Amino acid sequence: EVQLVESGGGLVQPGGSLRLSCAASGLTFSTSRMSWVRQAPGKGLEWLSYISNSDPATIYYAESVKGRFTISRDNAKNSLYLQMNGLRDEDTAVYYCGRVSGLGRGTVDYWGQGTLVTVSS
Amino acid sequence: DIQMTQSPSSLSASVGDRVTITCRASQIITTYLNWYQQKPGRAPKLLISAASSLQSGVPLRFSGSGSGTDFTLTISSLQLEDFATYYCQQSHSVPYTFGQGTKVEIK
Repeated sequence: EVQLVESGGGLVQPGGSLRLSCAASGLTFSTSRMSWVRQAPGKGLEWLSYISNSDPATIYYAESVKGRFTISRDNAKNSLYLQMNGLRDEDTAVYYCGRVSGLGRGTVDYWGQGTLVTVSS
Repeated sequence: DIQMTQSPSSLSASVGDRVTITCRASQIITTYLNWYQQKPGRAPKLLISAASSLQSGVPLRFSGSGSGTDFTLTISSLQLEDFATYYCQQSHSVPYTFGQGTKVEIK
């Protein structure tokens, strides 16, 4: 069974930093393409970032987080990360990691349960 | 960026009803179109990819169609467990944008 478990969320002040982690099991992580998607409270889904399984990795970001967030992976630890710097109030959301599969690089077929990030003073 | 517009934003339906949700892309995305179901407090679930390919384990009452810019998700006979919010998403070009969602409520 594929499991993706996010951690690292919490309360942070505007301008602060957080590092989210996503621990993967039940899949071959090293050959999996991965993504982060977020959902602000009561709002819709927002795609954030993608990382390929190649070396060097192909990486994409949404404009809303480009230059502030960094996606990375550690295949030895079966883990995906999202380093978030310069956090803003509008970054408050549940952050989901997901495995990318199928047509295109946006399709997420397995999702974690999400971790809540709250940016507030 | 490709804009994805879903309609309606919400609908009320009864068990057994046929339900249709539409999604329009602001430019041609061929069949790079996914549909997700999300229930309150839960992660989204992929129902359909590549516009019409049903994911394993998804009931056959769900179907997707369309290509180019116009797409449809159909639930042939609505069940209690189908009351949820549905999102379309294009996987053609970065950023891989989602529609605003369609909330399916009990009439």
